[in-house]
Amino acid sequence: DAMVIQNPRYQVTQFGKPVTLSCSQTLNHNVMYWYQQKSSQAPKLLFHYYDKDFNNEADTPDNFQSRRPNTSFCFLDIRSPGLGDAAMYLCATSSVRENHEQYFGPGTRLTVT
Amino acid sequence: GENVEQHPSTLSVQEGDSAVIKCTYSDSASNYFPWYKQELGKGPQLIIDIRSNVGEKKDQRIAVTLNKTAKHFSLHITETQPEDSAVYFCAAKYGRGSTLGRLYFGRGTQLTVWP
Repeated sequence: DAMVIQNPRYQVTQFGKPVTLSCSQTLNHNVMYWYQQKSSQAPKLLFHYYDKDFNNEADTPDNFQSRRPNTSFCFLDIRSPGLGDAAMYLCATSSVRENHEQYFGPGTRLTVT
Repeated sequence: GENVEQHPSTLSVQEGDSAVIKCTYSDSASNYFPWYKQELGKGPQLIIDIRSNVGEKKDQRIAVTLNKTAKHFSLHITETQPEDSAVYFCAAKYGRGSTLGRLYFGRGTQLTVWP
């Protein structure tokens, strides 16, 4: 059973056209993360929600925003995608009950044309 | 912040041989060290982890060792199989206050197991 679900798995958008990626979880974890992973690189943390508290990484561009309307869902909004934003976007969750072991979703591959 | 270095970047072994991947970390406050396996086109999957109060942990063909003094931890895979081929990431958790659970990743090791 899928625990961290990401939709869509593949997304193509045009340069400058806003795009939203979706993540949902069935684990009832209180922390949700968004990572960007470029080819042959480690995942790079963009931001995370600790419950409703949003925590942005210092080097995350303003072009990237996130929303968490409830415990189960989290969205990544890219306001004006550039060619350099083409990457795999990974959602992960964790819980203080499980010592914050992170569970990753399958990722969304974003292509910018 | 934490800095995690991982070696080698690529590793090729014959099926049945052992594979060892090594990582070092910089922050002595780190207390949790997971290893992730990432297959092509998929998200990272946790395969084993170790906490700073333990020196070694085994799970079937996989083991992890931790040397807190040297700030060094390693992944050992024995009796490798072609399905072990993937990218492996080590990570260290550095958590204080609201950033509890933040992982710092190594750059990854591409393991190829030849039949």
